[in-house]
Amino acid sequence: NAGVMQNPRHLVRRRGQEARLRCSPMKGHSHVYWYRQLPEEGLKFMVYLQKENIIDESGMPKERFSAEFPKEGPSILRIQQVVRGDSAAYFCASSPRLAGHNEQFFGPGTRLTVL
Amino acid sequence: AQTVTQSQPEMSVQEAETVTLSCTYDTSESDYYLFWYKQPPSRQMILVIRQEAYKQQNATENRFSVNFQKAAKSFSLKISDSQLGDAAMYFCAYRSAGQGGSEKLVFGKGMKLTVNP
Repeated sequence: NAGVMQNPRHLVRRRGQEARLRCSPMKGHSHVYWYRQLPEEGLKFMVYLQKENIIDESGMPKERFSAEFPKEGPSILRIQQVVRGDSAAYFCASSPRLAGHNEQFFGPGTRLTVL
Repeated sequence: AQTVTQSQPEMSVQEAETVTLSCTYDTSESDYYLFWYKQPPSRQMILVIRQEAYKQQNATENRFSVNFQKAAKSFSLKISDSQLGDAAMYFCAYRSAGQGGSEKLVFGKGMKLTVNP
């Protein structure tokens, strides 16, 4: 059973460009979480999605950031008009969300560098 | 809002020795989960151990064990017989368990563990 897949692993963008980060959850998992890790910091929650639904976006910046988890395909975290402060590692985690299953399995992360 | 505090930014331990990593948290909830994650230089987040708040017994996973003090809101991780591969960043995390609670993990800032040969 493949783990959580994220791509790309490294992404370089210039200020003002768009960044698209992809996350494929583990097989059978229908819940996806996105976290951001700034340098020398812990992970900060951004958004929690189920298929075709955003459940909790309390950690998402109000502007330029959006996320989706379509019925088919990976979850996408989209950052428009990137700025240097967006440089960070972005982690995706997935969960089956069955009774008794409370663990989130993490992907390897995407390291975004904004020049 | 829940918060997680790891007050020691760095620690070191000699190989084969025991080390304890501290973590405190703040919550008004009675039902929750606590976790310790390890992040090696590869940056992959690896679950080390998990504790359900309703369980009085401290969780144990091989060389890793916790000291869960619910009244004190303390959740320390003990690593016995430290190995070079234990060197990593360690993050303490909290998650609500009640109905309607947020699914999100709340992380501490982390602690860098160095293992000396």
